[in-house]
Amino acid sequence: NAGVTQTPKFRVLKTGQSMTLLCAQDMNHEYMYWYRQDPGMGLRLIHYSVGEGTTAKGEVPDGYNVSRLKKQNFLLGLESAAPSQTSVYFCASSYRLRVWGAFFGQGTRLTVV
Amino acid sequence: AQSVTQLDSQVPVFEEAPVELRCNYSSSVSVYLFWYVQYPNQGLQLLLKYLSGSTLVKGINGFEAEFNKSQTSFHLRKPSVHISDTAEYFCAVSDPDSNFGNEKLTFGTGTRLTIIP
Repeated sequence: NAGVTQTPKFRVLKTGQSMTLLCAQDMNHEYMYWYRQDPGMGLRLIHYSVGEGTTAKGEVPDGYNVSRLKKQNFLLGLESAAPSQTSVYFCASSYRLRVWGAFFGQGTRLTVV
Repeated sequence: AQSVTQLDSQVPVFEEAPVELRCNYSSSVSVYLFWYVQYPNQGLQLLLKYLSGSTLVKGINGFEAEFNKSQTSFHLRKPSVHISDTAEYFCAVSDPDSNFGNEKLTFGTGTRLTIIP
């Protein structure tokens, strides 16, 4: 049982480059989330999805785009990376957040130079 | 908007001593509360949750938390810590204003627990 898998685990980008982070879950969860974790700031929600084909903005959506073409996958895109996007990114999924909480991936450490 | 406050950014504790990690939330209405643990270089793992009912909630690894509505607190406790408890701990709340289909978790800034041998 893989749970929530994030790809890649590490990445270094140059300012202005683009990339896509992939999140895959095998638990048939409807809800999926992208968070970023920065020192002293906890986890902040970037975007989320309540089902296949749907996405919504979270607390810090600027500079990011997302897509949920398949129920099991949630992609996070950076069109033009900036040093302020250096962070650890976590994907999470949930069946019913209020009841079961969320299941998290191992994280992607992104450095933008 | 919902908010969560973890006043202690770092808590050092001697091995086998008790520990309390504090969490306060902002809402005055019914909420759902969670504690997550993050071990070094890993993702977050659910420790325990409060949905309703008994205010004392027991979780994994010997942790427990007490929901106090009057003080809007959800402090995490363990009577005797072990070296393996070294990790970062996050308190989180589910937005009480959100309807089904718009549920989100709001996290505190985290408390780094360091166990001293």
